[in-house]
Amino acid sequence: AQKVTQAQTEISVVEKEDVTLDCVYETRDTTYYLFWYKQPPSGELVFLIRRNSFDEQNEISGRYSWNFQKSTSSFNFTITASQVVDSAVYFCALSARYNTDKLIFGTGTRLQVFP
Amino acid sequence: GAGVSQSPSNKVTEKGKDVELRCDPISGHTALYWYRQSLGQGLEFLIYFQGNSAPDKSGLPSDRFSAERTGGSVSTLTIQRTQQEDSAVYLCASEDSNGYTFGSGTRLTVV
Repeated sequence: AQKVTQAQTEISVVEKEDVTLDCVYETRDTTYYLFWYKQPPSGELVFLIRRNSFDEQNEISGRYSWNFQKSTSSFNFTITASQVVDSAVYFCALSARYNTDKLIFGTGTRLQVFP
Repeated sequence: GAGVSQSPSNKVTEKGKDVELRCDPISGHTALYWYRQSLGQGLEFLIYFQGNSAPDKSGLPSDRFSAERTGGSVSTLTIQRTQQEDSAVYLCASEDSNGYTFGSGTRLTVV
């Protein structure tokens, strides 16, 4: 069975702090895809990253970075120098096949960044 | 339009009534998904349409839930005899080779 666990329900930080959101997944598939989405108060899900199981390289995009470790089945997301606009619920998700399969979502981590 | 459009954005209905939720996907996207987000929960897969193939209905929670997609475009999710536990945000997403695009959702409240 496939499962995504985001153990952190809510995190509060002060602006400019770094914050890491944890994601642990379970799957028996050898090929799978991992995603992060941001859900701001407006409610719309915003795609952040997609990573396939064969690519363990860490990725950096501006203040965002992702650490994928197959050995621990984790795909953690770090925001450097957080800003108030980063306040949102962040979801990690797993798919067995890119582009043609449903996403299995974690329960999300609510990040609050205070000025 | 440029994005996935869902209507209505909010719906309040009485327990026992039927409701229809609409999703207009991005033109040309062949795959369409419905998800449900209950308060404090992650997103739960409901149903998936891909082109002319039979839909994957494995996520529908009961036979009160059904969905159709007409002409490979607009989709309607129907909930019959609504119950209070059906209260949630229902999100639609369409997909192409670049990935998913989600709509803003329909917030359904059953009173």
